[in-house]
Amino acid sequence: EVQLVESGGGLVQPGGSLRLSCAASGFTFSGYWMSWVRQAPGKGLEWVANIKQDGSEEYYVDSVKGRFTISRDNAKNSLSLQMNSLRAEDTAVYYCARSKSSSWHAPFDPWGQGTPVTVSS
Amino acid sequence: EIVLTQSPGTLYLSPGERATLSCRASQSVSGSYLAWYQQKIGQAPRLLIYGASSRAAGIPDRFSGSGSGTDFTLTISRLEPEDFAVYHCQQYGSSPWTFGQGTKVEIK
Repeated sequence: EVQLVESGGGLVQPGGSLRLSCAASGFTFSGYWMSWVRQAPGKGLEWVANIKQDGSEEYYVDSVKGRFTISRDNAKNSLSLQMNSLRAEDTAVYYCARSKSSSWHAPFDPWGQGTPVTVSS
Repeated sequence: EIVLTQSPGTLYLSPGERATLSCRASQSVSGSYLAWYQQKIGQAPRLLIYGASSRAAGIPDRFSGSGSGTDFTLTISRLEPEDFAVYHCQQYGSSPWTFGQGTKVEIK
C-alpha cells in the first residue's frame, strides 16, 4: 500500500524555524516528483514546493522562496521541508504529496494525512 | 500564474440529484493538465479526475470531467451521501501549479 506520513508540525513563534518530514512507503520513492502542499485554516489548497526524482531540480511558490527548502533522501525514502523565517501567514496544514506518475506534468496522488503548523506568539 | 476560479462557491443539492461544478482558468491550461480532487472534513484531498477527463483508480463512474482550454467541468451524475464534500480543481500545466478556491457540495 502506498503511504505518506508527515511529521514535525507544531507551534512556532514568528521568525522561527521548523522542519517537516514525510516518510514514504509502498512504492519506489526515487521514481517520482514529490511536493508539499498547504492549506490555511478554512482556505483552499496552495502548492508550496516540489523536487525532482534525483533532487537536481527544486521549485517554489514565490511566497516561500528564500525561506523554505525542500529536500529528499532516496536512500531513506524521506522528503523534508525546512521552513525558516516563519510568518503568521504560513499557518496551515502541510501535506506531502506524490506525483501520480514520473512526469513533471502530473497531478498529486496520493497525499499524506497532513501535519499542522501554527505560527503565533 | 494561472488563476483558477470555481463556481458556485456552494452547491445545495439532494441525494440522487446531478451536480455540475465549474472551473475557469485565467489562461489556457496546456495539455488539458487539469485535475479534480475531493476533500472531506479533516481528511486529505483525494484525486478524482486528471487530464481533464480521466478517472483515477477506484473512482466511481458517476464522476466525470470535461472541458479544455479555459473552461472545465466536474459532473456527479447522481449524488450519493458520501459525495457531499469540497471539490478542488488544480492545473499542473504551467508552474506554479495552482488550485481553485473550492466548491462545497452541501445537502439541501
